[in-house]
Amino acid sequence: EDQVTQSPEALRLQEGESSSLNCSYTVSGLRGLFWYRQDPGKGPEFLFTLYSAGEEKEKERLKATLTKKESFLHITAPKPEDSATYLCAARASGTYKYIFGTGTRLKVLA
Amino acid sequence: DADVTQTPRNRITKTGKRIMLECSQTKGHDRMYWYRQDPGLGLRLIYYSFDVKDINKGEISDGYSVSRQAQAKFSLSLESAIPNQTALYFCATSDRTSGSSYEQYFGPGTRLTVT
Repeated sequence: EDQVTQSPEALRLQEGESSSLNCSYTVSGLRGLFWYRQDPGKGPEFLFTLYSAGEEKEKERLKATLTKKESFLHITAPKPEDSATYLCAARASGTYKYIFGTGTRLKVLA
Repeated sequence: DADVTQTPRNRITKTGKRIMLECSQTKGHDRMYWYRQDPGLGLRLIYYSFDVKDINKGEISDGYSVSRQAQAKFSLSLESAIPNQTALYFCATSDRTSGSSYEQYFGPGTRLTVT
């Protein structure tokens, strides 16, 4: 069964304290691994798409990486405005279904 | 203006009532989706549509129906609402012509409470 698992469920960081969020996936023929940011009361906002193992993408303090079994969202020197829930999703080959993880709630303290 | 809009943003209704949630998009995307989000369960797909004449059930379609009135409009109906349909509902779009990207763009959500 296709599955996406995110860890940790919640993470508290001090401002400037770098860390990584994990997204483990078991999907038949990955056709895209997606990262989203979701603020309270809002819809998910697209961040990155990764397609193949070894691929990396960066945006400001965020960098997403992909292996054959998992993806990491690295947050370098986070700021309070990075506080949000980060979701990952996987799309399997031969399907138009996106499988979402339950997210990591990140809180960055000033 | 937002590219994907949803109405209403909040709704409280009673068990057994019929309710419609509406989604409109100005992104020109051909694909539209309805999800529900529950604490601890993540986003789950209710229905998706690739164009006006192509509508498909997702993993949790029971108790829901949809209508794709135009490329830009996709409505979700609860024919007879029940309390376990209380959730946050999101509409999303994606673009077949974007190549291999397939990223989805989400609306702001509708918070639905069924009493």
